[in-house]
Amino acid sequence: DQQVKQNSPSLSVQEGRISILNCDYTNSMFDYFLWYKKYPAEGPTFLISISSIKDKNEDGRFTVFLNKSAKHLSLHIVPSQPGDSAVYFCAASTPLGGSEKLVFGKGTKLTVNP
Amino acid sequence: NAGVTQTPKFQVLKTGQSMTLQCAQDMNHEYMSWYRQDPGMGLRLIHYSVGAGITDQGEVPNGYNVSRSTTEDFPLRLLSAAPSQTSVYFCATAPDSAVNSPLHFGNGTRLTVT
Repeated sequence: DQQVKQNSPSLSVQEGRISILNCDYTNSMFDYFLWYKKYPAEGPTFLISISSIKDKNEDGRFTVFLNKSAKHLSLHIVPSQPGDSAVYFCAASTPLGGSEKLVFGKGTKLTVNP
Repeated sequence: NAGVTQTPKFQVLKTGQSMTLQCAQDMNHEYMSWYRQDPGMGLRLIHYSVGAGITDQGEVPNGYNVSRSTTEDFPLRLLSAAPSQTSVYFCATAPDSAVNSPLHFGNGTRLTVT
């Protein structure tokens, strides 16, 4: 059973607009969430994270929102740039877990059109 | 400073052959791990290590062996390759196993088993 779900396999937005990537989780014990970005033929790179004690974390153009009651988090990219075109993975872990307990979603492919 | 280096980049094996995927890091990270990524799937953990001399199984360990004799290297061995092991393999490292120490990924090895 998928514990971390990224229900949109792909998303296409125009340059300059907002990109919103969504992630749902089923395990209410998850308390730390990360987003990774992956370009073709490269490994994933860490983008941003959020702990369950917060509901928002911001880093430049990237903001992650966490709604614990809905078991939902989202990554907002504003403004979107063509270089943001990549696959974005959501990952989650429990309080007793280290990196070995990370559960990854299947990813969402973002395309930002010039 | 090369980061995480994976070799080879591509490999084709016949069913039953064995091979070793190499992973080397120069960041003095204690935590090292191997993931596989299959189409339509998230990243799945194969094996991991929290330090030299210590290894443990992840979510999908069958058919793979690892060892960690040094801090820098964490090779992944396929004992008898099967078509189900066709995948892209990523090595990932972190300063420690804490989930808030984001993973640093190599660029992957694309393996095809015929």
